Amino acid sequence: GNSVTQMEGPVTLSEEAFLTINCTYTATGYPSLFWYVQYPGEGLQLLLKATKADDKGSNKGFEATYRKETTSFHLEKGSVQVSDSAVYFCALKDVQGGSEKLVFGKGTKLTVNP
Amino acid sequence: NAGVTQTPKFQVLKTGQSMTLQCAQDMNHNSMYWYRQDPGMGLRLIYYSASEGTTDKGEVPNGYNVSRLNKREFSLRLESAAPSQTSVYFCASSEGDRIEAFFGQGTRLTVV
Repeated sequence: GNSVTQMEGPVTLSEEAFLTINCTYTATGYPSLFWYVQYPGEGLQLLLKATKADDKGSNKGFEATYRKETTSFHLEKGSVQVSDSAVYFCALKDVQGGSEKLVFGKGTKLTVNP
Repeated sequence: NAGVTQTPKFQVLKTGQSMTLQCAQDMNHNSMYWYRQDPGMGLRLIYYSASEGTTDKGEVPNGYNVSRLNKREFSLRLESAAPSQTSVYFCASSEGDRIEAFFGQGTRLTVV
């Protein structure tokens, strides 16, 4: 079945540090890949996505590239801010038997200190 | 532009009580989902509905039932609440394999 494995947290960084959160996936088809962010007390919101191999998703300084050869979708940001403190979820979506399956990783909590 | 609306936002139940969590979306999506979020466990799928009139079990369906009342609404029912069901519950909807899912704000449920 489909699955997503992402880097265990928590991750603590200083402001302006470089961020990488690793995400790898297992899928039987050709899924679309997503990064969601959850700020404290809120629901999940889409951060970025990529729908086919070699696509790069980007938003708010975050980037992730869909790597089919390594089945990976690692999240990166060159210079984090305190406001980036949140929980980040990697997810994949695939269509099986006519229905969409949306599968999440366990989440990585990021804390950015001033 | 409401998106996905969940009610209630907070609820405290006693063990054995029943309740229904409501979810409605106004984006005309076919697929709807119910997840629970627990510390260190990420989001785990309880039930999903690929279209009006169909529902399927997810990863953790025991102790829950769902109803896809129409295309807009997808409710989650706890028939006899247990402390292990203390969690934050999220409803989501989506359409198509390349389109992201949209989430509600969550329901924080405590069972004492």
